[in-house]
This record gives sequence, structure tokens and C-alpha cells, in this order.
Amino acid sequence: KQEVTQIPAALSVPEGENLVLNCSFTDSAIYNLQWFRQDPGKGLTSLLLIQSSQREQTSGRLNASLDKSSGRSTLYIAASQPGDSATYLCAPREGDSSYKLIFGSGTRLLVRP
Amino acid sequence: EAQVTQNPRYLITVTGKKLTVTCSQNMNHEYMSWYRQDPGLGLRQIYYSMNVEVTDKGDVPEGYKVSRKEKRNFPLILESPSPNQTSLYFCASSLGGTNYEQYFGPGTRLTVT
Repeated sequence: KQEVTQIPAALSVPEGENLVLNCSFTDSAIYNLQWFRQDPGKGLTSLLLIQSSQREQTSGRLNASLDKSSGRSTLYIAASQPGDSATYLCAPREGDSSYKLIFGSGTRLLVRP
Repeated sequence: EAQVTQNPRYLITVTGKKLTVTCSQNMNHEYMSWYRQDPGLGLRQIYYSMNVEVTDKGDVPEGYKVSRKEKRNFPLILESPSPNQTSLYFCASSLGGTNYEQYFGPGTRLTVT
């Protein structure tokens, strides 16, 4: 059974810092992995989708890497801003027909002005 | 605007009173699914649908029903809600195939008393 762990569980940084959020998963048989952000009381916003055959994916100040064989993904946020404050969730997609995403518990990020 | 919509956004009901949470997407996506989010348990898949008239159980289907009569709609039905179904519910959709990201609705917060 796939298990997803995100470290750290919470992070507080001053504005402008570069930071790394970590995600590990136990079963490497995944189709892809998505990173989401969740704001309090709101839905999930897709940030990046990285395919199992890819090593990296970039969008603006965000960069996600994937090492499928070791079961790891990282989300790099450059020059953090207070607007980046949210919970970040990683979700590998199961390698079967269910299209099921398995979610970690998330990293709660606070960027202080 | 491409989006997944859910209604209602908030609902308080009593045990045993049947309810339906609607989900609709305007992106012509084949795949749709329902998740629930609970503290400490993360997001878990309830049901999913690969296309019209094709549905299947996820990890926590007990107490729920779904239907997929039209491509754009995927309602979640609670025939006899119980307090343990108090949760935050999300609908998601994507194109079929392995390489597409999933888009989530804004969530429905359900309280069953």
C-alpha cells in the first residue's frame, strides 16, 4: 500500500528565502506526481505535474524534481513571498486504472513579511 | 473559465436525511472522482468514474453512492448520512490517460449532527 510522507510538517521562514519541501513515497510504481497548494477553507490548486519519466518540472518560482526509483520528490520555492503561505501537498498517482492520487499530510508553510 | 464546481459549499444536516452533493466540470473530462479530507487522515478517494455510466469504488466507499449519467456531472449521494461522514469533500476531474493533471473543486464542508 502506497504511503506518502512529507517533511517538514510545518515551516516558518522570512520572506525572500529559498526553500525545499520534501515528499517521499513507498511504492515507485507511479504514473506521475502532482504538487498542490491548499489555502485554508479553499480547494486544492494544482501547482505542477511531473511525469514518471521526467526528472524535473518548472513553473515560475517553483521547481519540482522526481526520483522515482528512490521514491522521492522535492518542491523548490525560490524567493518566497507571504502569498506563498499555504499547505503544500504532494500526491503520486497510483499505477493502476483508478487514477487515484495518494496524498501526504502536507507541509504547512508560513512566509513572514 | 475551466473549472470544477461543487454545490453546496457548506451543509449542516441531521442523521438519516438523504442528501446530494453535486459536482460539475466544463472541461469535457472523462475522469471524475470524489475524495474526503479528514484531520490526520489526509485525502482519501471515495468513488471514481472513468466515463459515462462507468463508476467504481475507491478506498472509502461505504455509505456513499454516485452516478455518472452525463459526462460533466458526478453527484455524490449520501442515502442515510451519519456523524462519521462529517468531512470536507472534494470532487476532481481530468482527461483520460496517464499524463494529465487532476483539477479539484472548491470543496464542500459537510456536518452531520
